Amino acid sequence: GAGVSQSPSNKVTEKGKDVELRCDPISGHTALYWYRQRLGQGLEFLIYFQGNSAPDKSGLPSDRFSAERTGESVSTLTIQRTQQEDSAVYLCASSYSRGQGRNQPQHFGDGTRLSIL
Amino acid sequence: QKEVEQDPGPLSVPEGAIVSLNCTYSNSAFQYFMWYRQYSRKGPELLMYTYSSGNKEDGRFTAQVDKSSKYISLFIRDSQPSDSATYLCAILLSGFQKLVFGTGTRLLVSP
Repeated sequence: GAGVSQSPSNKVTEKGKDVELRCDPISGHTALYWYRQRLGQGLEFLIYFQGNSAPDKSGLPSDRFSAERTGESVSTLTIQRTQQEDSAVYLCASSYSRGQGRNQPQHFGDGTRLSIL
Repeated sequence: QKEVEQDPGPLSVPEGAIVSLNCTYSNSAFQYFMWYRQYSRKGPELLMYTYSSGNKEDGRFTAQVDKSSKYISLFIRDSQPSDSATYLCAILLSGFQKLVFGTGTRLLVSP
């Protein structure tokens, strides 16, 4: 079946501009995650959505970052007033949750490569 | 101290060699352990997933977890050039959803 889909695959923008990144999770996956991967570094957790629960925003690095999710489908990550340190690969993952804190493996998209000039 | 430590490599081996990739972690409460493979310009691909100490085997891959030492390993037997990629360990606390990743080890398998 279809995997996690992210768009655009690449984005180049000028410092100070806003950007919006999109993620389509695997159908039936109720949990959705955003991570950031800087060059030469591991993935950093940004935000987590689970059904209709309030999202876990504990990883968002500043108030310039925000994310939304429509029901259990598409999510968008928005970065306002971009800075050069925002340059990274932004990865989305989804998983099937059985509730009660049971963790299921997360499956990743190929990411959006964001470059801030 | 980072929550998860992983040697970035690169690790270069000849085709057919046995590869050992390792991570250490600091929080003894971690319960779920994963290995992901990431090819250049692609997202991480789940290879192995386990939540207990001991070994788990899948084809040429064996994941080993030693909770007493807070040490996890991935072994690749009969390594192939197509195994050349970055291997990421990832760890999870039960009931939480935030994966904590190592920095990844770059593996190069030469023909």
